[in-house]
Amino acid sequence: EAAVTQSPRNKVAVTGGKVTLSCNQTNNHNNMYWYRQDTGHGLRLIHYSYGAGSTEKGDIPDGYKASRPSQENFSLILELATPSQTSVYFCASGDLHSAETLYFGSGTRLTVL
Amino acid sequence: GDSVTQTEGLVTLTEGLPVMLNCTYQTIYSNPFLFWYVQHLNESPRLLLKSFTDNKRTEHQGFHATLHKSSSSFHLQKSSAQLSDSALYYCALSEGDSNYQLIWGSGTKLIIKP
Repeated sequence: EAAVTQSPRNKVAVTGGKVTLSCNQTNNHNNMYWYRQDTGHGLRLIHYSYGAGSTEKGDIPDGYKASRPSQENFSLILELATPSQTSVYFCASGDLHSAETLYFGSGTRLTVL
Repeated sequence: GDSVTQTEGLVTLTEGLPVMLNCTYQTIYSNPFLFWYVQHLNESPRLLLKSFTDNKRTEHQGFHATLHKSSSSFHLQKSSAQLSDSALYYCALSEGDSNYQLIWGSGTKLIIKP
């Protein structure tokens, strides 16, 4: 079974602070994704990556940066956190060449006060 | 651009009744992949089933769906709902070409009552 691990599971941050969400996958998948999930909006793509060193903007990238230093690791960075970024964040990985079945991490619940 | 429509935001059923969750899509690509993901409370989404073959029924864990390209539909069905089926269900589309991105529907929350 594919494994995607996110940390932390829960995070409380202050407005204007920097937040880094981490994701590690042991599936050797090329593609990795960051989504946020809010009631009424479903899953929205923030950033994604096709491999180490690459990051691409998703549908809602404003206020977020991403970093993919290796095949296994993909981070989401909030340089100046705002209350509107309070949400549940999911990392996922998938195989570029197999109909894109995504394997999700357990999620990070972020609260920005 | 491509899109996925799930018309029901909330479906409430009594245990034992049949389930049908609607999913329609729009794409210019002739060979899309369609997916259903399920997310139980306080869990992450996981793949339930997927298909790219026209008019072929795909089954998994008691659920089934058939991709109908003629009507651009991929409805999720189950003959008899169980309490454990209560969850959030997402339909998603992949263009199945060089761009392996998923286009997500807005999700349908299914509540099964005793």
